Amino acid sequence: AQKITQTQPGMFVQEKEAVTLDCTYDTSDPSYGLFWYKQPSSGEMIFLIYQGSYDQQNATEGRYSLNFQKARKSANLVISASQLGDSAMYFCAMREGYGTGGFKTIFGAGTRLFVKA
Amino acid sequence: DSGVTQTPKHLITATGQRVTLRCSPRSGDLSVYWYQQSLDQGLQFLIQYYNGEERAKGNILERFSAQQFPDLHSELNLSSLELGDSALYFCASSVGGTSTAQTQYFGPGTRLLVL
Repeated sequence: AQKITQTQPGMFVQEKEAVTLDCTYDTSDPSYGLFWYKQPSSGEMIFLIYQGSYDQQNATEGRYSLNFQKARKSANLVISASQLGDSAMYFCAMREGYGTGGFKTIFGAGTRLFVKA
Repeated sequence: DSGVTQTPKHLITATGQRVTLRCSPRSGDLSVYWYQQSLDQGLQFLIQYYNGEERAKGNILERFSAQQFPDLHSELNLSSLELGDSALYFCASSVGGTSTAQTQYFGPGTRLLVL
């Protein structure tokens, strides 16, 4: 069963506007971590933001914030004041325990964001 | 620059061959993870090592193996290569490997093309 769902294959946003990228997840583990990564056309994976399952407040990192709604199992990424350099693929990921002391990270299919000038 | 290094950057080989991908984690990081990114499968977790020991396994084929050495660098060995193994292989590292809060920092990847 798919555990991370990103329903928006592609999105457009006007420069300087805010955009929300959707992510829903499924897990029965009470302890998990949620991450967002950015992958520009150059290919590298850049860590953006982290949210723990027990965190009471939504995570923020500069222009990035994570809208965490635990009951709905959603972890949407909000990018404020979009810039041309934000054009990239964005991946939502969930990290959960594996059982032997290790951890698996599952990635969604990604959302490609296009920022228009 | 994440501080994670991977070599080589590009690799072209033929079906049936064997290759080794190398990863050096960030200074101080004990955990290394390997991922495969392909167009049809997306980004797939392969395996995790923590301080030299295997800790978690994902969708890693039996033809693939990995290890982490005492100096904490890791190698991913891919054998009996098939066309479908063509992908971008990422290594990531984190400080520890015993918490869901550990952020993984990714290397630049090795792009493998099997002809």
